[in-house]
Amino acid sequence: DAKTTQPNSMESNEEEPVHLPCNHSTISGTDYIHWYRQLPSQGPEYVIHGLTSNVNNRMASLAIAEDRKSSTLILHRATLRDAAVYYCIPRDSGYALNFGKGTSLLVTP
Amino acid sequence: DARVTQTPRHKVTEMGQEVTMRCQPILGHNTVFWYRQTMMQGLELLAYFRNRAPLDDSGMPKDRFSAEMPDATLATLKIQPSEPRDSAVYFCASGLPLRGSETQYFGPGTRLLVL
Repeated sequence: DAKTTQPNSMESNEEEPVHLPCNHSTISGTDYIHWYRQLPSQGPEYVIHGLTSNVNNRMASLAIAEDRKSSTLILHRATLRDAAVYYCIPRDSGYALNFGKGTSLLVTP
Repeated sequence: DARVTQTPRHKVTEMGQEVTMRCQPILGHNTVFWYRQTMMQGLELLAYFRNRAPLDDSGMPKDRFSAEMPDATLATLKIQPSEPRDSAVYFCASGLPLRGSETQYFGPGTRLLVL
């Protein structure tokens, strides 16, 4: 499994953009970069994934470095509901996820 | 709105008792995962199935845990006998792995407390 490094915690003000970084320097060529989040007392929830190109969906954007050794999850306007633990997970399709410790995002009004 | 369902949502039992947790994956998903979450270990994989066949159960204590898929709509995780260290939240997830389109959908979890 590729090793990941994420900040333990980050803080943001409501309605401001948030950039959550992840280093995955040992990622293999076939690994997708997945992001999941876990809200308090809930199961993990898919956010976004990508392979090489930047990706956008209704929840977030994913910016992937050209060498694929790092990526950034971008929440364009943080809301209180976005307070969660965010996990960056390099993984090939169809395999179980190795969650690691993730980044705990605190959003303040 | 398709969802993974898990029962029971909460379970309190005494050490030595058998515990059975059930999961109904999303219809059409052919891969089912069991994860366990504790404060100390975080989220860790216990086992997973594809097309009802076990692919990896290396994360499960073999002497007391067992996981099965009796049919495509039901996955079970059984602990016998249970121990206090098994207290955790157990999540089931299902997915349909397609190249370029990979999402695992998680259930709400079963919160297990073994006294």
